[in-house]
Amino acid sequence: GAVVSQHPSWVICKSGTSVKIECRSLDFQATTMFWYRQFPKQSLMLMATSNEGSKATYEQGVEKDKFLINHASLTLSTLTVTSAHPEDSSFYICSASSRQRDYEQYFGPGTRLTVT
Amino acid sequence: KNQVEQSPQSLIILEGKNCTLQCNYTVSPFSNLRWYKQDTGRGPVSLTIMTFSENTKSNGRYTATLDADTKQSSLHITASQLSDSASYICVVSLWMDSSYKLIFGSGTRLLVRP
Repeated sequence: GAVVSQHPSWVICKSGTSVKIECRSLDFQATTMFWYRQFPKQSLMLMATSNEGSKATYEQGVEKDKFLINHASLTLSTLTVTSAHPEDSSFYICSASSRQRDYEQYFGPGTRLTVT
Repeated sequence: KNQVEQSPQSLIILEGKNCTLQCNYTVSPFSNLRWYKQDTGRGPVSLTIMTFSENTKSNGRYTATLDADTKQSSLHITASQLSDSASYICVVSLWMDSSYKLIFGSGTRLLVRP
């Protein structure tokens, strides 16, 4: 398998502030990265898909101005939650894929965001 | 509508016992089906992946089956261990817009008790 890391693993922030989450593919170049959100006892919900060097494609109902995604390199994508509110508290998981890896999605360990 | 349904929602078994988790899907065009294990507070980890032509695949104590005609899959866990306590997610993928789109089931939460 491939290794995908996320940083931080957990973060607590105050309402109204912004927080950035990093997703890195450590041992392969990811042409596509995905961001998911998972609420307690629910499954993963795709938020957006980002291809390196292109603008992210957001799923219906996901505010692109609130969840800023940057995929500037083949090994790094970032998700910035702007003006966070308590309802944004969730578990955020990224995954990475590439043609060389048969487009298999390799998941990161997740980031727990708590907005107070 | 592309959907993946899993049953049961939750399951409690005693250590050492076997169990079987179910997955039904209505995804088209079907590309492959994966079973993931997700520990609490962690990302999903792939257990098995099966394509249309594969009926069964094993990974240690985990054995997945696939019936593409009835669009059903199962995950059988043999001789359960305490560390098997986790959520098991069935994911069906389809090829769309030059990438795989994953359709997630809601998962089965398994608790293995000593």
